[in-house]
Amino acid sequence: QQKVQQSPESLTVSEGAMASLNCTFSDRSSDNFRWYRQHSGKGLEVLVSIFSDGEKEEGSFTAHLNRASLHVFLHIREPQPSDSALYLCAVSGTNYNVLYFGSGTKLTVEP
Amino acid sequence: EAAVTQSPRNKVAVTGGKVTLSCNQTNNHNNMYWYRQDTGHGLRLIHYSYGVGSTEKGDIPDGYKASRPSQENFSLILELATPSQTSVYFCASGDALGGSSYEQYFGPGTRLTVL
Repeated sequence: QQKVQQSPESLTVSEGAMASLNCTFSDRSSDNFRWYRQHSGKGLEVLVSIFSDGEKEEGSFTAHLNRASLHVFLHIREPQPSDSALYLCAVSGTNYNVLYFGSGTKLTVEP
Repeated sequence: EAAVTQSPRNKVAVTGGKVTLSCNQTNNHNNMYWYRQDTGHGLRLIHYSYGVGSTEKGDIPDGYKASRPSQENFSLILELATPSQTSVYFCASGDALGGSSYEQYFGPGTRLTVL
């Protein structure tokens, strides 16, 4: 079964400074990775999906996948206070229809 | 117009009672999912479905049943609710984008409290 871990548990950055979030997984044969954002008390919003090694940019969000090192990163360029939320990493298992989630990184962006 | 809706949005139940959580999707996706979210655990998969009449066990199915009577609807049933099932429950629908690429879209969540 796929194991997904996220670090750090919480992160505080100043408005406009780059934020970098880390996600590690256990099965390098996976080929479905995505980052979600969840504002407090709300549902999940998909930010970026990536299916092969390298980078994928969606607006101010960039995912970087390196399956050899079992890492997928999320970089947030010039975050705003409205980006303060819980960020969740999700990875598929051997059944690509099923996603496994990390426990999330709580990001706070200070004005 | 939300594509995945859940009802109720909030529910208080008593221990031993029966609870049914409902999910409706207008995405025409074949697959639907039920997750629960607890602090420190992210989202954990309870049951999922590949289509009408299909239900599959996820990682934490004990104490839960699921029903998929139509393409649009997927229910989660707690026959004998317990306080440990107090959580936020999310429904999702999904389908293949091509090859093994895949996407899931989530509902707004149902907050369940079992007293």
